[in-house]
Amino acid sequence: GESVGLHLPTLSVQEGDNSIINCAYSNSASDYFIWYKQESGKGPQFIIDIRSNMDKRQGQRVTVLLNKTVKHLSLQIAATQPGDSAVYFCAENMNDYKLSFGAGTTVTVRA
Amino acid sequence: SQTIHQWPATLVQPVGSPLSLECTVEGTSNPNLYWYRQAAGRGLQLLFYSVGIGQISSEVPQNLSASRPQDRQFILSSKKLLLSDSGFYLCACGDRGLGGYTFGSGTRLTVV
Repeated sequence: GESVGLHLPTLSVQEGDNSIINCAYSNSASDYFIWYKQESGKGPQFIIDIRSNMDKRQGQRVTVLLNKTVKHLSLQIAATQPGDSAVYFCAENMNDYKLSFGAGTTVTVRA
Repeated sequence: SQTIHQWPATLVQPVGSPLSLECTVEGTSNPNLYWYRQAAGRGLQLLFYSVGIGQISSEVPQNLSASRPQDRQFILSSKKLLLSDSGFYLCACGDRGLGGYTFGSGTRLTVV
């Protein structure tokens, strides 16, 4: 079964606003976390990752925050654009060659 | 960087017919390979993974099988498709140990 779950299945965001996508994970032994973006009809694409020895990592317009105390992961997208509309998945790696994916959050950007 | 080739992009097959989906990888050697299925509006379900030629691990008992005849080739098969086999099938490639995956573009299978 999937051990990574998301708080909200959908998120509607006004263009230009910041987006925050949340993820709860259940396995405290997970060492590595990844956010993927999946556009309609395509395979998931890597956005950003974070190891368990960090609590924040920044990329281009994206920031991932990790709170190990409450087993919570979030993805922040700055200045959301129409091209950010997609399904976002968090995934955790427990160092056994397998990623466990959450159900996904559908982000819709309003013009 | 790794590139995954997956085909066909779409497939419509009648119930009871066989299936063969192929995935090949470029840009890496001895990768871990994975087959995932995604139902509409749902997450990714791991079906099979392989850590080497001829080594297949099945995650979910089902109507499907997988094979890895070459280092960078991963095949998903079925002898007789069921309606419930419809979905979006994704092949993925990963390196040893901690790390993310590179996904292929997927195959949309509709069983009618």
